[in-house]
Amino acid sequence: DTAVSQTPKYLVTQMGNDKSIKCEQNLGHDTMYWYKQDSKKFLKIMFSYNNKELIINETVPNRFSPKSPDKAHLNLHINSLELGDSAVYFCASSQERAGVTDTQYFGPGTRLTVL
Amino acid sequence: GQNIDQPTEMTATEGAIVQINCTYQTSGFNGLFWYQQHAGEAPTFLSYNVLDGLEEKGRFSSFLSRSKGYSYLLLKELQMKDSASYLCAVMDSNYQLIWGAGTKLIIKP
Repeated sequence: DTAVSQTPKYLVTQMGNDKSIKCEQNLGHDTMYWYKQDSKKFLKIMFSYNNKELIINETVPNRFSPKSPDKAHLNLHINSLELGDSAVYFCASSQERAGVTDTQYFGPGTRLTVL
Repeated sequence: GQNIDQPTEMTATEGAIVQINCTYQTSGFNGLFWYQQHAGEAPTFLSYNVLDGLEEKGRFSSFLSRSKGYSYLLLKELQMKDSASYLCAVMDSNYQLIWGAGTKLIIKP
């Protein structure tokens, strides 16, 4: 069974469209994350979310909005897509214990291409 | 600001040993992680150091010196499948992971 799964794996769309990426983890973890990895392979945290709160990275445009229907799912919705949004988006999860975040486990990634 | 530095690319020979260095400057320290990422795939966890010293796990070892803000990942008996990027990440005082840009390791026969 896949521990952290994302759909779709590839997403090609036009500028200006709205799209969503889904993430699910079956590890029973409390904390989930969204990362963006650009062409230079640098991983940048976008959001982290656990049972208690959503932590937003201030550098992320408000066109990006995470949605968590329950602690096993953290979806990423993107409005008005721009060319610069093209990247690989990774979902990850970890178990938070007494304020210490454990090892993060990553999903397979979603390669988003905006034309 | 917070900064993680590691070499962009390294080349080594199959069967040899390679050491990938990482230096960091972060606001607080709650541990250092090494991840492996094959091209087109997700990062996978390799090691975690929070105390000074060497942690050995099979062919891979990771070393940490907190006073020097320095870590290295040592890979022994290199295999072709070890060709990948190796990412150093430090957990800061807010328990957020700060990532390096990764070191692309190329293994030659």
